[in-house]
Amino acid sequence: QKEVEQNSGPLSVPEGAIASLNCTYSDRGSQSFFWYRQYSGKSPELIMFIYSNGDKEDGRFTAQLNKASQYVSLLIRDSQPSDSATYLCAAQDSSASKIIFGSGTRLSIRP
Amino acid sequence: GAVVSQHPSWVICKSGTSVKIECRSLDFQATTMFWYRQFPKQSLMLMATSNEGSKATYEQGVEKDKFLINHASLTLSTLTVTSAHPEDSSFYICSARDEGLDTEAFFGQGTRLTVV
Repeated sequence: QKEVEQNSGPLSVPEGAIASLNCTYSDRGSQSFFWYRQYSGKSPELIMFIYSNGDKEDGRFTAQLNKASQYVSLLIRDSQPSDSATYLCAAQDSSASKIIFGSGTRLSIRP
Repeated sequence: GAVVSQHPSWVICKSGTSVKIECRSLDFQATTMFWYRQFPKQSLMLMATSNEGSKATYEQGVEKDKFLINHASLTLSTLTVTSAHPEDSSFYICSARDEGLDTEAFFGQGTRLTVV
C-alpha cells in the first residue's frame, strides 16, 4: 500500500513566523510531488509542485524535496492568518495514473 | 492554472433517489479524472480513476454499481450516486489531469451531497 504520511496537527504558528509542514512518502518511484491548501468546506487548491531534489521557491512558499529520504516539506514565510487551512501533501503514484494524498496537516496562524 | 468546473455545488435528495454530478475541464483535455469523497474533518478518499473512453478503476471498498462513473469525452466525467442513502452524504470532489502534459491535477469546486 503506497502511502503519504503527514502529521495531522494542528500546527499553531504566530503571525509573521515561518510555518514548516512535513511529509514522507513510501513510493520510492514517485517523481512528482504536490502541496495543496484546503479551506474548510472548499476543495483543495494547488500551491506548489516539485519534481527535482532541492528547493523550489514561489513567493512566500518554498517546497523542499529529498528523494533519498523520501521527504517533502513546505515552508511558509511571513505567515498570515489567511494561511490558516489544511495542507495536503501528495505524490504521483509511480505505477498508476493517480495521485496519492496524505491526510493533511491543519495549520493555524495566531495573530 | 487550468479550470475544472463541477456541478452542482450542492444538492439535497431523498433517500433512494439517484444524483448525478458533472465534472468538466474547461480549458484542457482531461485524459484522466479522479473522484474523491471527503467526510467532515477527514482526508480526501479516492473513489475511482477514470480515463476517457474506458471503464473506471475503482478503489478497494468502493461499490462500482452504486457509484457509476462515465468519462465519455476528454472534457466531461460524471459520477452518479444511485439509490442514495443518508450515509452517502458527503463532499464529493473531482479532479482532472492531462496525462500527455504530465501536469498536476486540478480540482473542481466540490459537490456537497445531503441525502434526507
